[in-house]
Amino acid sequence: LAKTTQPISMDSYEGQEVNITCSHNNIATNDYITWYQQFPSQGPRFIIQGYKTKVTNEVASLFIPADRKSSTLSLPRVSLSDTAVYYCLVGDIYNAGNNRKLIWGLGTSLAVNP
Amino acid sequence: NAGVTQTPKFQVLKTGQSMTLQCAQDMNHNSMYWYRQDPGMGLRLIYYSASEGTTDKGEVPNGYNVSRLNKREFSLRLESAAPSQTSVYFCASRRTSGGSADTQYFGPGTRLTVL
Repeated sequence: LAKTTQPISMDSYEGQEVNITCSHNNIATNDYITWYQQFPSQGPRFIIQGYKTKVTNEVASLFIPADRKSSTLSLPRVSLSDTAVYYCLVGDIYNAGNNRKLIWGLGTSLAVNP
Repeated sequence: NAGVTQTPKFQVLKTGQSMTLQCAQDMNHNSMYWYRQDPGMGLRLIYYSASEGTTDKGEVPNGYNVSRLNKREFSLRLESAAPSQTSVYFCASRRTSGGSADTQYFGPGTRLTVL
């Protein structure tokens, strides 16, 4: 199982870029990296997913180095509404049963201050 | 398109009572999942259903049963509730046809307290 390690918490200010790094040293060849966001009293919400190099969407960017042993979620110009917990997951997404192998850690609690 | 819906939103039970948590999705997804989330712990998978007609145990199945009623609905039953089952329960669904980004879609959660 690809275990992930993320910082427990981070602080930032409105308008800053926030980078959250996740370590996954034993990532497997078929594993993808997925990030979710969770607001209090809500279910997690998909942010971005990637396999290698860089992926960008309207919300965030995901940077994955060549060895894929880590990944960095980049949130540009955060606002107060980005205050949430961010989870990094690693797993083979093309097998439905593999969801049971996905380990949801504690995530990173991001606090954006005015 | 409501996504994933869960009922009820809140529930208080006494030890030994039973109840069923309901979950439905309108995205025509094949796979559905039940998680619990406790303070200081990440989400833990209780049961999942890879497709209609199949169910399988996740990480913490003891004390729970599930039914995949049809492609849309996946229910979680507590036969004899215990205080250790006090938690927030999330249902999720997932398209498993591969291709573009494969994501889980979560419901709003059910907050269950067992006294």
